[in-house]
Amino acid sequence: QQPVQSPQAVILREGEDAVINCSSSKALYSVHWYRQKHGEAPVFLMILLKGGEQKGHEKISASFNEKKQQSSLYLTASQLSYSGTYFCGTEAGGTSYGKLTFGQGTILTVHP
Amino acid sequence: DAGVIQSPRHEVTEMGQEVTLRCKPISGHDYLFWYRQTMMRGLELLIYFNNNVPIDDSGMPEDRFSAKMPNASFSTLKIQPSEPRDSAVYFCAVRWGGGTEAFFGQGTRLTVV
Repeated sequence: QQPVQSPQAVILREGEDAVINCSSSKALYSVHWYRQKHGEAPVFLMILLKGGEQKGHEKISASFNEKKQQSSLYLTASQLSYSGTYFCGTEAGGTSYGKLTFGQGTILTVHP
Repeated sequence: DAGVIQSPRHEVTEMGQEVTLRCKPISGHDYLFWYRQTMMRGLELLIYFNNNVPIDDSGMPEDRFSAKMPNASFSTLKIQPSEPRDSAVYFCAVRWGGGTEAFFGQGTRLTVV
C-alpha cells in the first residue's frame, strides 16, 4: 500500500517555506525523500531510520514520528532550484523489509 | 558508481505488440525494483527482487506483465500484449540493502498507440 502525501501541490515565492507530509498505515522501518525534476529520474535527498531522528541538508530537513508512522519534509527559504516533484518512500519492517513503496508525489513550484 | 542503465530510453509501439524493457545495474546491489510512473498513480511499485529472486510481484497489473532477473547485472520487464493504458515511464532502481537509499535509472518512456 502506497504512503499518502499531502498536499498534492504547492506554489511558493522564492524565500518562502513549505512542509510536505507523508503518512503510512504500516509500522515503518525507514522513510525516504526524493526529488524529481521534469523528465529526469528521482534523486535521493535523505533517509530517516526508525528512532524518531531528524535530519537536515542545508535548508531542507525532515522528521520521522514512528509512533504515528508519519514524516514531514521541511523546505526553508525556498530557491528556484527546489522546484520539482517530491516523493516520500516507505519501508516497513518484518516480511516487507527491503520493499520500498512511494507516494503519489507533491509538485512544488517556486516562482521568482 | 551506482549507475543504472535502462534501455531503450523511449519506445513507441502499436497496441498488441510485445515490449521488452531492460535494466543493467552496477552489480553488488541486493535489491532491484521496477516502478511505473503516471500522473494519476505516481511511482507505483510493480515488482522487486532480492538477490535475483522475485520477492513481491503483487504490483504487476496483469498477467500481460512479466519480469525476470537472470543475473545480478541484468533484468527485463516484458509486456505482452501491450495496450494504450500501459503508456507510462518505467523506472528500474537498486538498493544495497534495507535502510539504504535507492538509485534510479533514467527510465523508459513507453507509448502504446
